[in-house]
Amino acid sequence: ILNVEQSPQSLHVQEGDSTNFTCSFPSSNFYALHWYRWETAKSPEALFVMTLNGDEKKKGRISATLNTKEGYSYLYIKGSQPEDSATYLCALSAGGTSYGKLTFGQGTILTVHP
Amino acid sequence: KAGVTQTPRYLIKTRGQQVTLSCSPISGHRSVSWYQQTPGQGLQFLFEYFSETQRNKGNFPGRFSGRQFSNSRSEMNVSTLELGDSALYLCASRSSGREQETQYFGPGTRLLVL
Repeated sequence: ILNVEQSPQSLHVQEGDSTNFTCSFPSSNFYALHWYRWETAKSPEALFVMTLNGDEKKKGRISATLNTKEGYSYLYIKGSQPEDSATYLCALSAGGTSYGKLTFGQGTILTVHP
Repeated sequence: KAGVTQTPRYLIKTRGQQVTLSCSPISGHRSVSWYQQTPGQGLQFLFEYFSETQRNKGNFPGRFSGRQFSNSRSEMNVSTLELGDSALYLCASRSSGREQETQYFGPGTRLLVL
């Protein structure tokens, strides 16, 4: 059974703060790592798909890094805004015959206070 | 392009009944995956369909089934509903079914079993 862990479970920051969260996964079962942002009552929004060790991706104020050898990914938000408040999920694709299966972490709930 | 759509958005059923949920993927996408989200278990993979074939199934009882049509639209069916089937059911589509592709999620169907 694959175990994808995210920390912290929740985070409260002030507007303008920069923040980061962690996603840990078993490095032996890695094929791709996905990050999603999920706001209440909306569809999960895809942020990044990362496949290569050392990958860094950026989308506006949000960026992510990947270390497949040690099994972790970091998501960074620079200058948090109230509209960044959401649950951030990472999910692992294990490849092989795991067609279409994403194994999700429990998520990090981010609240940005004005 | 229109996003992934799911119908109905909300559903109330009673124990023992059956239910069918529908998912229309992004135009041109051939892979559809289904997930169940509950507060205790997070997002759990149900199954994946690609070109009308089920390629992968998660660890759910046989009461959960699905199918995909030639236009890539997918349905999932839950028979003999139990209280524990109350959940948000999400579907996601991707273009050619490769594991490093982004899965695009719909808004979900919220099922309440009384």
